[in-house]
Amino acid sequence: DIQMTQSPSSLCASVGDRVTITCRASQSISRNLNWYQQKPGKAPKLLIYDASSLQSGVPSRFSGSGSGTDFTLTISSLQPEDFATYYCQQSYATPPDTFGQGTKLEIK
Amino acid sequence: EVQLVESGGGLVQSGGSLRLSCAASGFTFSRYWMHWIRQAPGKGLVWVSAIYADGSNARYADSVRGRFTISRDNAKSTLFLQMTSLRAEDTAVYYCVRAPTTSFDTWGQGALVTVSS
Repeated sequence: DIQMTQSPSSLCASVGDRVTITCRASQSISRNLNWYQQKPGKAPKLLIYDASSLQSGVPSRFSGSGSGTDFTLTISSLQPEDFATYYCQQSYATPPDTFGQGTKLEIK
Repeated sequence: EVQLVESGGGLVQSGGSLRLSCAASGFTFSRYWMHWIRQAPGKGLVWVSAIYADGSNARYADSVRGRFTISRDNAKSTLFLQMTSLRAEDTAVYYCVRAPTTSFDTWGQGALVTVSS
């Protein structure tokens, strides 16, 4: 199975900050990488698919980049509603689809 | 509105069985792969099982293969997960998820399954 590792595991930031979360795959996954946002008590929400495509309805302050083994999710200017946990997921070699362990973004 | 609504969760003893259902609406259910993904309390997301649009192909995580069975009724736009020989480590919120391509674009609200030992 392909292992996905996110860094950092947690992050403190302020409203207006630019934030970057990294996801690394244990082998090349081309651009088959998706990002999700999850708020407490809620289901995850798809933000980015295929490494850099913005899901419909997701604000443009979210962006994704990368290919191969290294990927990033960037939030250009943090808004109060962005404080949540973020997960990456590879869809290159399935089953199983595998997720990173999550990055919890907290208010500083 | 595209919607997935799970039901059937609850408390069950170790070794017991439970059947989850997921009612889909707002889209043509029979055209999509459907998945179950779970999340243990305070933990991350773990893929459990998937089934092809017409029900002809099913896939399972190693941890549940032989104990869980995924199925669907396209006439009723409903997805199922039959869970047997449940263990404490199966305790989780189980999400029903739609997969139009290689991403998971629509999630249900989740059904909590608690296995007591």
